Amino acid sequence: DIQMTQSPSVLSASVGDRVTLNCKASQNINKYLNWYQQKLGEAPKLLIYNTNNLQTGIPSRFSGSGSGTDYTLTISSLQPEDVATYFCFQHNSWPLTFGSGTKLEIK
Amino acid sequence: EVQLVESGGGLVQPGRSMKLSCAASGFTFSNYGMAWVRQAPTKGLEWVATISYDGSSTYYRDSVKGRFTISRDNAKSTLYLQMNSLRSEDTATYYCTRGDQFAYWGQGTLVTVSS
Repeated sequence: DIQMTQSPSVLSASVGDRVTLNCKASQNINKYLNWYQQKLGEAPKLLIYNTNNLQTGIPSRFSGSGSGTDYTLTISSLQPEDVATYFCFQHNSWPLTFGSGTKLEIK
Repeated sequence: EVQLVESGGGLVQPGRSMKLSCAASGFTFSNYGMAWVRQAPTKGLEWVATISYDGSSTYYRDSVKGRFTISRDNAKSTLYLQMNSLRSEDTATYYCTRGDQFAYWGQGTLVTVSS
């Protein structure tokens, strides 16, 4: 199974900061990497698919990059509504696997 | 508007069975693979099973293989998850999601396995 390791587990930043969340796969996942945002009590929401494709309706301050085993979600200017847990997800091979999440807080 | 509405969750004793349903609307259900993803209380997301658009292919995580069955009725635009021999570790909110990048999710249904 491909293990997805997210770092940091908790990130505290100020409004307006540029924020970077990391996700490392235990093997090459060929850019089949998605990012989801989950707010408290809600279902996950797709932000980015296949490494760097912004899902329709998602603000352009969210962007993704990476290749091979290392991937990044960047929020260019953190907003109060971005408080959530962010999960990466690989769909390169079975079983599909999620990272354990990064909880993003506002300072 | 794409909508996915799960139902069928609740409290069940260990070793018993439960069947979840997910009613889909707002898109041509028969064109898409579908999946179940679960989330134990205060934990992360865990993929459970996927079914192809026509039901001909299914995939499961090892921990549910042989106990859970994913199926679909395209005429009714409904996805199912039959769960047998339930264990305490199956306690979670179960979400159905559309297979194209998991772009759409239901609100989830809580399954609690406890005596």
